[in-house]
Amino acid sequence: GNSVTQMEGPVTLSEEAFLTINCTYTATGYPSLFWYVQYPGEGLQLLLKATKADDKGSNKGFEATYRKETTSFHLEKGSVQVSDSAVYFCDRVLHDMRFGAGTRLTVKP
Amino acid sequence: DAGVIQSPRHEVTEMGQEVTLRCKPISGHDYLFWYRQTMMRGLELLIYFNNNVPIDDSGMPEDRFSAKMPNASFSTLKIQPSEPRDSAVYFCASQTGAEAFFGQGTRLTVV
Repeated sequence: GNSVTQMEGPVTLSEEAFLTINCTYTATGYPSLFWYVQYPGEGLQLLLKATKADDKGSNKGFEATYRKETTSFHLEKGSVQVSDSAVYFCDRVLHDMRFGAGTRLTVKP
Repeated sequence: DAGVIQSPRHEVTEMGQEVTLRCKPISGHDYLFWYRQTMMRGLELLIYFNNNVPIDDSGMPEDRFSAKMPNASFSTLKIQPSEPRDSAVYFCASQTGAEAFFGQGTRLTVV
């Protein structure tokens, strides 16, 4: 069936460091892929998405490219800020979103 | 639209009491989800509805939990009787098309 595997956390970085959070998927076909973010005390919100192979989603300095050859959708940011501290979730499909544990990122000044 | 609205934001109750959590989805959204989040288990999908009909309730932990969606603008999650291990943040989300929108959550503490 369709599933995603996300890098386990927690991840701790210093401000301005480069961030990568890995996400790979298994699917029959090419599902839409999403990254959601949960800031402290809030619900999840969509960060970015890609609906087909080779698409690049981007938002708030974050990027992720839908790569069918490696079945991956890794989240990257060139220079993280303290305000990026949050939990990040990778998922696929629209109507059965289970999210899992996510990856907790802490950025220290 | 004000987004997905959950109430109450915080609930403290004694073990054995009935707890009802409420959710108002975004108007026009045809999917509604209930999640539970704890440090130990992360975010768990409890149940979801499509056009007010429950589609998958396999995540509901036990018979003490029940959820209803009497109309397109309202849903409840009820725990009866509540237990300390039910303490968690409960999120409601609604969706149509490509994006899910989450409420702010209800933090439930059962003492």
